[in-house]
Amino acid sequence: EVQLLESGGGLVQPGGSLRLSCAASGFTFSSYAMSWVRQVPGKGLEWVSGISGSGRTTYYADSVKGRFSISRDNSKNTLYLQMNSLRAEDAAVYYCAKDPYGGKPGNWFDPWGQGTLVTVST
Amino acid sequence: QSVLTQPPSVSGAPGQRVTISCTGSSSNIGAGYDVHWYQQLPGTAPKLLIYGNSNRPSGVPDRFSGSKSGTSASLAITGLQAEDEADYYCHSYDSSLSGSGVFGGGTKLTVL
Repeated sequence: EVQLLESGGGLVQPGGSLRLSCAASGFTFSSYAMSWVRQVPGKGLEWVSGISGSGRTTYYADSVKGRFSISRDNSKNTLYLQMNSLRAEDAAVYYCAKDPYGGKPGNWFDPWGQGTLVTVST
Repeated sequence: QSVLTQPPSVSGAPGQRVTISCTGSSSNIGAGYDVHWYQQLPGTAPKLLIYGNSNRPSGVPDRFSGSKSGTSASLAITGLQAEDEADYYCHSYDSSLSGSGVFGGGTKLTVL
């Protein structure tokens, strides 16, 4: 069974940093692109960042470009999201999600992890 | 303001048919990019419902169907059941934006 388990969320002050992790199991991790999608509680979904299966190519939404960095460790079956210079508007539940192919992410997402909550506040 | 436009809410009685629209533009749906749909039950992560405009993953009932035409797509649910009450999101790709995907704002389905 394919499983994705996020961790690393929590409370951080504006301007601070946080690293999210997503542990994957049940599939050949390096063969699939992965993405991070966030959702402000009670609001809609926003794609944040994606990475190819090899990790060589990364993509970012304009709202996080230059502040967030996506990476993966295929030897550990783990996806990361390094979030720097956090703002109040970055507060959300962050989901990791698996792409059906290994190249550029941009297809459908299945499955999704359970999400990890990031709160940005003083 | 989402790139893909969905109605905020729809409703229907048990057994009825409802549709949820997803309207895009020439840089996303109208450019030929596929549309996918997700169901999000309260307090849970989104779940893939339809991929590639009209394909159902295994385990998704055939009461759910998707279609696409021009710059819009639709999700239809027939034989509405109480358990279908959830938020539904469309998802596609937009060539005018950096990155990968764009989502609709979501539609809350209420089963009366």
